[in-house]
Amino acid sequence: DSGVTQTPKHLITATGQRVTLRCSPRSGDLSVYWYQQSLDQGLQFLIQYYNGEERAKGNILERFSAQQFPDLHSELNLSSLELGDSALYFCASSAGQGGNTIYFGEGSWLTVV
Amino acid sequence: GENVEQHPSTLSVQEGDSAVIKCTYSDSASNYFPWYKQELGKRPQLIIDIRSNVGEKKDQRIAVTLNKTAKHFSLHITETQPEDSAVYFCAASKGKIIFGKGTRLHILP
Repeated sequence: DSGVTQTPKHLITATGQRVTLRCSPRSGDLSVYWYQQSLDQGLQFLIQYYNGEERAKGNILERFSAQQFPDLHSELNLSSLELGDSALYFCASSAGQGGNTIYFGEGSWLTVV
Repeated sequence: GENVEQHPSTLSVQEGDSAVIKCTYSDSASNYFPWYKQELGKRPQLIIDIRSNVGEKKDQRIAVTLNKTAKHFSLHITETQPEDSAVYFCAASKGKIIFGKGTRLHILP
């Protein structure tokens, strides 16, 4: 167990819908990262937050948004869902802003039908 | 932008032989290079990491080497075992962590 908690574990939704994925980082970690992993694909970096502030942005679509709350948990919002958004979404956390080991949660499996 | 290239994408080795996976990175400011192992349907887990002030690091059957001048680093697994079968990801970081596309390692009996 990495200490990073993600909910829900599985989610099936229809095209055009909106979903929210939730992540609680390891105790004491200030950074949260979101990654997207499609079938047989690598880990695509979406966005990083550090202590509530956006720290770095990757290839995150405009239909996606995220935030980190004062209690350090984070949410990834995916809207106007398309079939191609079906993927495993990982949250990870680390103690510092960068150059530290990141620990992954178990992931949220999103299926868009 | 930052990029990490990883090769090969698939690797099959006989049980007991060695496996080598190579990565190159584009951002010379990167200072931290972790390697993760991901089994099917599970989360990536850190297996070894190296920082830019070190050229080589070893942990039992696993070793990582770093060549900062050439901007490449490699993972070496010796005496491979069936449980080494998985997807391995290299990464480079100076802040955000950018991953390579992964190497699917098959250990053949």
